[in-house]
Amino acid sequence: DAMVIQNPRYQVTQFGKPVTLSCSQTLNHNVMYWYQQKSSQAPKLLFHYYDKDFNNEADTPDNFQSRRPNTSFCFLDIRSPGLGDAAMYLCATSREWQGVVNGYTFGSGTRLTVV
Amino acid sequence: DQQVKQNSPSLSVQEGRISILNCDYTNSMFDYFLWYKKYPAEGPTFLISISSIKDKNEDGRFTVFLNKSAKHLSLHIVPSQPGDSAVYFCAFQGAQKLVFGQGTRLTINP
Repeated sequence: DAMVIQNPRYQVTQFGKPVTLSCSQTLNHNVMYWYQQKSSQAPKLLFHYYDKDFNNEADTPDNFQSRRPNTSFCFLDIRSPGLGDAAMYLCATSREWQGVVNGYTFGSGTRLTVV
Repeated sequence: DQQVKQNSPSLSVQEGRISILNCDYTNSMFDYFLWYKKYPAEGPTFLISISSIKDKNEDGRFTVFLNKSAKHLSLHIVPSQPGDSAVYFCAFQGAQKLVFGQGTRLTINP
């Protein structure tokens, strides 16, 4: 089945130690998104790629970076994780802006713990 | 500045009855309104959507209502089934991105 896969499902990292989360898709969607969801809060968009064009949300901290080496893969890099970065990180994809009507396809998420 | 609010963090409904989930928004520029469903340890899955030019959309047991004058969106599930127990997020499309509410945990009791 075509899908969005996030690895790892659970990630524990040390305070200040760089960490990378990965997302891959077999849907051939050209738009990929990263959302951060903290406990009992709404998922918050960090940034998205439209093909290779990177779009950063204005309030996304500089500590968060992203890479998209090809259509299938997208990475979220947290350069110096703080305790406040512990959250569920969700990757999503959509084809053009059809996702507006039919919804995005989400991965299962990576739960990040910072110790 | 929270643009989307789901004021009920949880809702409990008896199996077979109607579940009504509510969402309020402040931004009148939203184009589409969506509902997502999320099970534990899984990502959100798309449920149903409605365009800003409509006031109702129905898909099987699920109906979404949009009241633009009140800036209010609701999801009706009837009849409710145990498998409907999940967290439900409303989401609004504007400026080429989705803005989510905080979610409502729906529990269907046998």
